[in-house]
Amino acid sequence: GQQLNQSPQSMFIQEGEDVSMNCTSSSIFNTWLWYKQDPGEGPVLLIALYKAGELTSNGRLTAQFGITRKDSFLNISASIPSDVGIYFCAGATNFGNEKLTFGTGTRLTIIP
Amino acid sequence: NAGVTQTPKFRVLKTGQSMTLLCAQDMNHEYMYWYRQDPGMGLRLIHYSVGEGTTAKGEVPDGYNVSRLKKQNFLLGLESAAPSQTSVYFCASTDGGRLGKNIQYFGAGTRLSVL
Repeated sequence: GQQLNQSPQSMFIQEGEDVSMNCTSSSIFNTWLWYKQDPGEGPVLLIALYKAGELTSNGRLTAQFGITRKDSFLNISASIPSDVGIYFCAGATNFGNEKLTFGTGTRLTIIP
Repeated sequence: NAGVTQTPKFRVLKTGQSMTLLCAQDMNHEYMYWYRQDPGMGLRLIHYSVGEGTTAKGEVPDGYNVSRLKKQNFLLGLESAAPSQTSVYFCASTDGGRLGKNIQYFGAGTRLSVL
C-alpha cells in the first residue's frame, strides 16, 4: 500500500522552541490532515488542507499543503508543555471510501 | 454528544480466545473504520465500511472479521486471538469527502493484550 514518510520520528525540545515536522509521499494526495494523539487517547484533528500550496493556521500551529501534492509540513511556534504527544500526518486520495493513509508519527517531548 | 465510543477500554485474552470490540458513533456518519496502532508503525487500517450492511478489507485484515448491521455500530471480531494481535485498536468515522472533508473522528481506543 501507499507509504507516508514522516520525520523526524522523535523530537526533544525545550519549552518555547519552535517545532517543524514533515510528511512525504510517493504519490499524490488530494487532502492532507494533521492529527495529535495525547497519551491514552485517540488522535484529534489539528489542521485540514485541501488545496496545493494552501497554508493554514490554528493558533500556534501552521501547516502547508506542498505544491507537488506529495508533501506537507507542520510547524508549532513557541512550544508549551501541553504540546507533548504524537503528531500524525494523513493523506487522502479520492472520494468514495474516504480512506486515509497515516504517517508513522512524530513523538514530541518537551525537556523541562 | 459522545462522538465515537469504544468498548471495552482494556482487555486481556489468552491465545485462542475470541472477543468482539464494539464501536458506536452518534454523528450519523456513513463511513466507519477499524485501525490498529503498534509502536513505530502508525495507524494501519484493518477493515472499513462505507455504509450500513457493507464491509471491506483494509491493509491488515487477516485474523479479524467485522460487521455493520446498524449504521451507528461497527463491530470488530477476533475469532482466535494470537499474541501478534496485541495492540491498541482505534475506531473512526466520517461523513466522507464531500460532506465531511475526509476528516475522521476517533474513539479513545481499546488496549488489547493477548498472552
